[in-house]
Amino acid sequence: GQNIDQPTEMTATEGAIVQINCTYQTSGFNGLFWYQQHAGEAPTFLSYNVLDGLEEKGRFSSFLSRSKGYSYLLLKELQMKDSASYLCAVMDSNYQLIWGAGTKLIIKP
Amino acid sequence: IAGITQAPTSQILAAGRRMTLRCTQDMRHNAMYWYRQDLGLGLRLIHYSNTAGTTGKGEVPDGYSVSRANTDDFPLTLASAVPSQTSVYFCASSVGLGGPTDTQYFGPGTRLTVL
Repeated sequence: GQNIDQPTEMTATEGAIVQINCTYQTSGFNGLFWYQQHAGEAPTFLSYNVLDGLEEKGRFSSFLSRSKGYSYLLLKELQMKDSASYLCAVMDSNYQLIWGAGTKLIIKP
Repeated sequence: IAGITQAPTSQILAAGRRMTLRCTQDMRHNAMYWYRQDLGLGLRLIHYSNTAGTTGKGEVPDGYSVSRANTDDFPLTLASAVPSQTSVYFCASSVGLGGPTDTQYFGPGTRLTVL
């Protein structure tokens, strides 16, 4: 079966750095997406990786290792507004997104 | 430009009733999707449409139907609602035909409770 694993919840301090990991086992691979979802709101797109390596976008970076079935989202200089759930999703061989359950990130002052 | 709109925002429905969730996008995106989101589970694809006039089944299609008569609208119908269909429903769309790099953009969601 297809599976996406992420930690359920993480806590970090304002101004710090946090890394959210995602491991996957899917039938085929056509890219990995990270989305942010604030409570009660829609998911919003953060990043896309299809090749191995690091993609940097401001305070957020995403890393992919296809051979290890592994990705992480790195958030720097954490702000209170970064408190949200972070969703990892993999596009499989049928071009459908398989979603992890999300990691709830709690930022403390 | 509104992007993607969904209606209603929330609904309480008696079991056995028929319900249509509406989704409209004004971005001229080709592909549209319906997901449900339940606590502790990832988003699960119900149905999708890669282009107007075509639809396909996702991971959890039973009890749901869709139509795509034009580019902008993609309604989801529950023919006879059951309590297990209590969930938050998200509509999404993407520019392309559902291929690689095709980023999905989400509507605000409909919170549905079936009693």
